Amino acid sequence: DAMVIQNPRYQVTQFGKPVTLSCSQTLNHNVMYWYQQKSSQAPKLLFHYYDKDFNNEADTPDNFQSRRPNTSFCFLDIRSPGLGDAAMYLCATSRDLGGGYGNTQYFGPGTRLTVL
Amino acid sequence: RKEVEQDPGPFNVPEGATVAFNCTYSNSASQSFFWYRQDCRKEPKLLMSVYSSGNEDGRFTAQLNRASQYISLLIRDSKLSDSATYLCVVNIPSSGGSNYKLTFGKGTLLTVNP
Repeated sequence: DAMVIQNPRYQVTQFGKPVTLSCSQTLNHNVMYWYQQKSSQAPKLLFHYYDKDFNNEADTPDNFQSRRPNTSFCFLDIRSPGLGDAAMYLCATSRDLGGGYGNTQYFGPGTRLTVL
Repeated sequence: RKEVEQDPGPFNVPEGATVAFNCTYSNSASQSFFWYRQDCRKEPKLLMSVYSSGNEDGRFTAQLNRASQYISLLIRDSKLSDSATYLCVVNIPSSGGSNYKLTFGKGTLLTVNP
């Protein structure tokens, strides 16, 4: 089955220790997204890639970076995690960025990050 | 006005009840609309896309009223397994560009009781 995969599912890191979260997809979608979701809140978009073009949301902290080495993989790097970065990190994909239903997004299972 | 606004909930209903969720959106240029379901500590999963003509999938019916900028989701004969948070999601134009991005409502928690 075509799908979005995230690794690891649970990540524990120490305050200030860099961490990398991984996402891969077999849907062959052009767009990959990273969201942050905290308890009882809606997912918050951090950034997305359309193919190799990177688009950062205006309010995404510099502490968050991303890499997309190829169509299938995308990484989220948190350079110096703080306690406030503890959250679920969701990767999603879509076929395109338009206004129609080609923008339907499919989510991976998420990585739950704990910062000690 | 918030971009996407949903009933705050929570909703507690008995099995077999019919429950309706409502959602409004502020940007009239929005073109596509969705309901996602999110179980506790899991990822959002697409429940239904919402089309202008309205659409039905088993016990679930979604409707869109573009003039009123209003979306609804109706669940008939609710099951225990329907307990989840329901997210109204609208595809809204990004400022200054031709791209769109999904904007999520805060979600409405549904608990179906035996």
